[in-house]
Amino acid sequence: GENVEQHPSTLSVQEGDSAVIKCTYSDSASNYFPWYKQELGKRPQLIIDIRSNVGEKKDQRIAVTLNKTAKHFSLHITETQPEDSAVYFCAPNSGNTPLVFGKGTRLSVIA
Amino acid sequence: SAVISQKPSRDICQRGTSLTIQCQVDSQVTMMFWYRQQPGQSLTLIATANQGSEATYESGFVIDKFPISRPNLTFSTLTVSNMSPEDSSIYLCSVAQGRSAEAFFGQGTRLTVV
Repeated sequence: GENVEQHPSTLSVQEGDSAVIKCTYSDSASNYFPWYKQELGKRPQLIIDIRSNVGEKKDQRIAVTLNKTAKHFSLHITETQPEDSAVYFCAPNSGNTPLVFGKGTRLSVIA
Repeated sequence: SAVISQKPSRDICQRGTSLTIQCQVDSQVTMMFWYRQQPGQSLTLIATANQGSEATYESGFVIDKFPISRPNLTFSTLTVSNMSPEDSSIYLCSVAQGRSAEAFFGQGTRLTVV
């Protein structure tokens, strides 16, 4: 099965700074790389995803980069805002198994 | 997208009793999943609910403790049986329109066993 590691487990940044969260995985067959955001007391929601034929994808202040050779992908948030404070989960997937989530990164954006 | 209605949203139960959690989806979906999320932790997959066949359980979870029903492509239930305080957690159902696709979640059931 997929082994997923996520770093760091907690991250504090000043408002306006950038945040980067890294996810490493073990299954070389993984071809789908999503990031989910879970605000306190709410359900997880997809914020960005990337597929294995693409190296980078950007959506406004959020971007995901993929390095399939090294088996890791990263979430980048620029110009962070207090509403970015949440727990972020990666969930690399090969399409043959259900989503397995990383342990999560608690991001705190300090105003 | 998919809209999932999960209920109850929370409950406080006596140890030794059972609770059934329901999930209703607004469209037919192939795959439904049940997760457990303990406070401050990640989501742990309990089982995949298969329509027309028995659920597939992950390591550490058994059918006698977490029986699942999937009578059709829009509905599933998870029962937490013979509860103990260690079962206190948030339980979430999730659907995906096929593999390697976005997952949608119910709002979760916060279970407290006393």
